[in-house]
Amino acid sequence: RKEVEQDPGPFNVPEGATVAFNCTYSNSASQSFFWYRQDCRKEPKLLMSVYSSGNEDGRFTAQLNRASQYISLLIRDSKLSDSATYLCVVIPIKAAGNKLTFGGGTRVLVKP
Amino acid sequence: ETGVTQTPRHLVMGMTNKKSLKCEQHLGHNAMYWYKQSAKKPLELMFVYSLEERVENNSVPSRFSPECPNSSHLFLHLHTLQPEDSALYLCASSQEIMGQGALVAKGLNYGYTFGSGTRLTVV
Repeated sequence: RKEVEQDPGPFNVPEGATVAFNCTYSNSASQSFFWYRQDCRKEPKLLMSVYSSGNEDGRFTAQLNRASQYISLLIRDSKLSDSATYLCVVIPIKAAGNKLTFGGGTRVLVKP
Repeated sequence: ETGVTQTPRHLVMGMTNKKSLKCEQHLGHNAMYWYKQSAKKPLELMFVYSLEERVENNSVPSRFSPECPNSSHLFLHLHTLQPEDSALYLCASSQEIMGQGALVAKGLNYGYTFGSGTRLTVV
């Protein structure tokens, strides 16, 4: 089983719609979680951290379910500019050097 | 600019060439990383340097040789590469919280800052 798994998509989303997708992780001792966004042929950029209580940043909501070992990202009122690949990132507990484990990414395409 | 600068942005090299990728971070971070991103594959961690000391080497072939002369600079020396080494090579930096191991996201926006990458083609 991969350490971090994501549905590669693409998720084709009408503009203005809501889209949500999950990321599962295998290491139950994982401590920190993030969502990164990567545009085509660009570097990944931190989108948001994921907290145990869930957190919101504008139209983006991230949730963590430790019991089922997954995190989720929900995008409301999708914009064309939201089209990107969303990378799930997990940090195992007490990892030296802040070793991040990346999922393969979920591609989202927002269409007019 | 993200605070992490990589050069060159693009590189085409033959299998017998020797080249180096350079990464510089202006963020005062104490950890730097090399990642490889191939088409349709997750980012693969290659090397980790924490306080200029290599703490991770993920079974990377010896034709890739990292160097970290100080906390702001990271190099990846390349020699006798293979066509399958063609990929996007990303440098990243972060601030490691010493004594706690993994970084702790307590309402703070920790994470990696990536450079724009070097797109390498081996011919």
